Amino acid sequence: EDQVTQSPEALRLQEGESSSLNCSYTVSGLRGLFWYRQDPGKGPEFLFTLYSAGEEKEKERLKATLTKKESFLHITAPKPEDSATYLCAVQDYGGATNKLIFGTGTLLAVQP
Amino acid sequence: EPEVTQTPSHQVTQMGQEVILRCVPISNHLYFYWYRQILGQKVEFLVSFYNNEISEKSEIFDDQFSVERPDGSNFTLKIRSTKLEDSAMYFCASKDGPSYEQYFGPGTRLTVT
Repeated sequence: EDQVTQSPEALRLQEGESSSLNCSYTVSGLRGLFWYRQDPGKGPEFLFTLYSAGEEKEKERLKATLTKKESFLHITAPKPEDSATYLCAVQDYGGATNKLIFGTGTLLAVQP
Repeated sequence: EPEVTQTPSHQVTQMGQEVILRCVPISNHLYFYWYRQILGQKVEFLVSFYNNEISEKSEIFDDQFSVERPDGSNFTLKIRSTKLEDSAMYFCASKDGPSYEQYFGPGTRLTVT
């Protein structure tokens, strides 16, 4: 059964203090790994798709990387506006319709 | 920038009542999805819809649930007889043909009393 585990559950950083979020996954065949940002009471906002081990994607202060077992979301010099829940999700090649299987997320709080 | 929209933003209903949640996917997208998120829990897949039929559904999506694309723009989720445990945020998502990314709407908060 496909599984996604994210750690830590919550992370508090000072503004400018870089860190990484982890997403470990188990799938029979990875079609894609996705990172989303979710603000309170809102829908997930797409950030990145990673398809194969070794791939990296960057957007502003965020960089996502992928290995065969896990993905990291690196946050460099975060600002308070980066505070949100970051969700990791996977798609399995075995699925017919690209359904997403989500982890429980990491709640990031960046203090000024 | 095109976006998925959902109405209403909040729906309160009594147990046993029928509710219809509405979504307008991004206009050129072909695949449509419903997910739900119970407060404090992970986002869970409910159903996917393509070419006017259900492609896949989860165990959660039992006979009380149905989906429909009544016209060229709307995509609806109906719950026939709501239960207390149906209280959750319901998200609609869509994607186009070639890509794998799904784009989510802002959600409908369903409260069953």
